[in-house]
Amino acid sequence: SQKIEQNSEALNIQEGKTATLTCNYTNYSPAYLQWYRQDPGRGPVFLLLIRENEKEKRKERLKVTFDTTLKQSLFHITASQPADSATYLCAPLGFGNEKLTFGTGTRLTIIP
Amino acid sequence: EPEVTQTPSHQVTQMGQEVILRCVPISNHLYFYWYRQILGQKVEFLVSFYNNEISEKSEIFDDQFSVERPDGSNFTLKIRSTKLEDSAMYFCASSENGGKNSPLHFGNGTRLTVT
Repeated sequence: SQKIEQNSEALNIQEGKTATLTCNYTNYSPAYLQWYRQDPGRGPVFLLLIRENEKEKRKERLKVTFDTTLKQSLFHITASQPADSATYLCAPLGFGNEKLTFGTGTRLTIIP
Repeated sequence: EPEVTQTPSHQVTQMGQEVILRCVPISNHLYFYWYRQILGQKVEFLVSFYNNEISEKSEIFDDQFSVERPDGSNFTLKIRSTKLEDSAMYFCASSENGGKNSPLHFGNGTRLTVT
């Protein structure tokens, strides 16, 4: 069955360092992969979308990579700030598929 | 910036009662969704809705659940005969293009507590 795994439930990073979050998927051939941020008690908020033919996508301090051979996406936050503390969700999506299925999420805490 | 709005923010109901959760999606969006998040667990897909009909639904979305777009703006989730295990945050979302290459915009959810 299809599976999405995100690295360790919680990740603590010192302020100013780069945070790297991992999303591994199995039994999927996604055409797209999306990353969302979720704060406690709030709905997920879209951050970045990357297509299968794109190796890397950037937005300000955020960078996403997509390796279809390794079946993995990496999400980087550079120069991390306490305000980046949240749960980050990945969601692969196949062609012809409308429903977004989320991974379990990684709870990131940036320590001042 | 346009946003998805959900009401109520918190709903308490007794087991066996029916509840209706309401959502106003972003006006030019064509695809609508309901997701559920039980406390401490992941965000789970319930149902997608396009062109006035259900396009996909999960195993969770059984006969107890129904969705409706009664007018041009509202999108509702009805849960009949609620059970304790229905207690969760329910998120509505909408997108322009079915999530393929456009993001989902989520509301801030309705917290449903079944007692």
